[in-house]
Amino acid sequence: GAVVSQHPSWVICKSGTSVKIECRSLDFQATTMFWYRQFPKQSLMLMATSNEGSKATYEQGVEKDKFLINHASLTLSTLTVTSAHPEDSSFYICSARDPGQAVETGELFFGEGSRLTVL
Amino acid sequence: GQNIDQPTEMTATEGAIVQINCTYQTSGFNGLFWYQQHAGEAPTFLSYNVLDGLEEKGRFSSFLSRSKGYSYLLLKELQMKDSASYLCAVQDSNYQLIWGAGTKLIIKP
Repeated sequence: GAVVSQHPSWVICKSGTSVKIECRSLDFQATTMFWYRQFPKQSLMLMATSNEGSKATYEQGVEKDKFLINHASLTLSTLTVTSAHPEDSSFYICSARDPGQAVETGELFFGEGSRLTVL
Repeated sequence: GQNIDQPTEMTATEGAIVQINCTYQTSGFNGLFWYQQHAGEAPTFLSYNVLDGLEEKGRFSSFLSRSKGYSYLLLKELQMKDSASYLCAVQDSNYQLIWGAGTKLIIKP
C-alpha cells in the first residue's frame, strides 16, 4: 500500500514556541492531505484538509492562524503549531488517500503520528 | 447532527470470537470503514463496506446494514496482538469521514 511518513514522532517544546510537523507521501503524489488531532481516549478529529498549491480548508473551530498548514509540493504537507500552549498537547496525525483508487473507496493511509507535549 | 456510536471498551479471551458494533447517523452515506489503532500509533485500514452484507478478510469480517445504520466488525481466533482500539468511520455525502470514538478491545489469555 501507499506510504505516508510523518516527522517528528515525538516533540517536547516550551510554551510560546512554534513546532513544525512534516507529512510526506513517499511513493505517490498527494494533492490532498488530511490533518487530524487525537486526544487520549477520544476519536480522531479532522483539523484541516491540505490542498497542494492552494489554501488549506479548516474545520469549524480550528484556528487557521494558530495551526498553519502549507502544502507546497505533491509529496509534502507541513503543520506548524504556533505559540504552542499546554492545551495543544495532543497526538497529531496526517493522512492521504491513494490516488490510484477512486475517492469513494479509497482508504486513508496514515503517517506514524506526532505526539506533541507543550510544557 | 452526525453521530457514530460504538462501545467504549470490550474484553475477550484469546482464541475466542468478538463482535464490535457500530451504529451511525450521518448526512448521506458513501461507505463505512473499520480501522485498527494500537496505542500510540496511527490507524491502519481493516475494511470497507458500501453495500449491505458481509465482507470477509481472513480472521476479520465486517457487516453492513444501511437501512439500520448499523455495522459490526467480527474478529475470530483472537490473538493477543489484536488488543487495540477499533475505529468505525462513515463517509458522508461530501466524502468526509466521520469517526467514532473507537472501541478498546482487551484480549485476556
